[in-house]
Amino acid sequence: SVLTQAPSVSVAPGETAGISCRGDQLSTKNVHWYQQKAGQAPTLVIFDDSARPSGIPERFSGSNSADTAILTISSVEAGDEADYYCQVVDGSSSYRVFGGGTKLTVL
Amino acid sequence: QEQLVESGGDVVQPGKSLRLSCAASGFIFRNYALHWVRQAPGKGLEWVGLVSKNGGYEDFADSVRGRFTSSRDNSKNTLSLRMDTLRPEDTAVYYCARDRGGGYFDLWGRGTLVAVSS
Repeated sequence: SVLTQAPSVSVAPGETAGISCRGDQLSTKNVHWYQQKAGQAPTLVIFDDSARPSGIPERFSGSNSADTAILTISSVEAGDEADYYCQVVDGSSSYRVFGGGTKLTVL
Repeated sequence: QEQLVESGGDVVQPGKSLRLSCAASGFIFRNYALHWVRQAPGKGLEWVGLVSKNGGYEDFADSVRGRFTSSRDNSKNTLSLRMDTLRPEDTAVYYCARDRGGGYFDLWGRGTLVAVSS
């Protein structure tokens, strides 16, 4: 599996950010999303396409359709500035596959 | 408090070996598969490998298969990664991560830096 993400997305505070992840027949897989702030380890923000772990604000949501999964962050805050990675399990193995990451800049 | 703490990172010469450790606390260690994920400087995340709950199964990415092995001691709540024949391209921060069971990682350590350089 190959997952493709745009290298960067910029958004003003209070606006909505959409971060996409494209892959062949992606809708047949569960997509998971991680946030990685500068100098920190990644943290899970969305699992199974659209589920939020405990403690993740409702501003974070996810969807997955056809070949594209989208992480949506509404009412973006300065603290959301980070790299975001999508991830799936490779269907033919136990491999985990990450997208290349998208850097979210809050203007 | 659930926690994973990696250790053992160092500067090593190409061709040498290194062992990393990951110590777990705050949860029932034997109930979870564990993974290694690495991140080269300024680059994205790369899955390295996994160890099953009882340690009986492991699998690795093509980039490290045959050079890396991993094991766990469920009595000591520790995971280890043995890295042989290291290459400069193995330079990265190595994270251990807990597999929730649905193919995703719900707990990560802070990572340990491995630098392979002559």
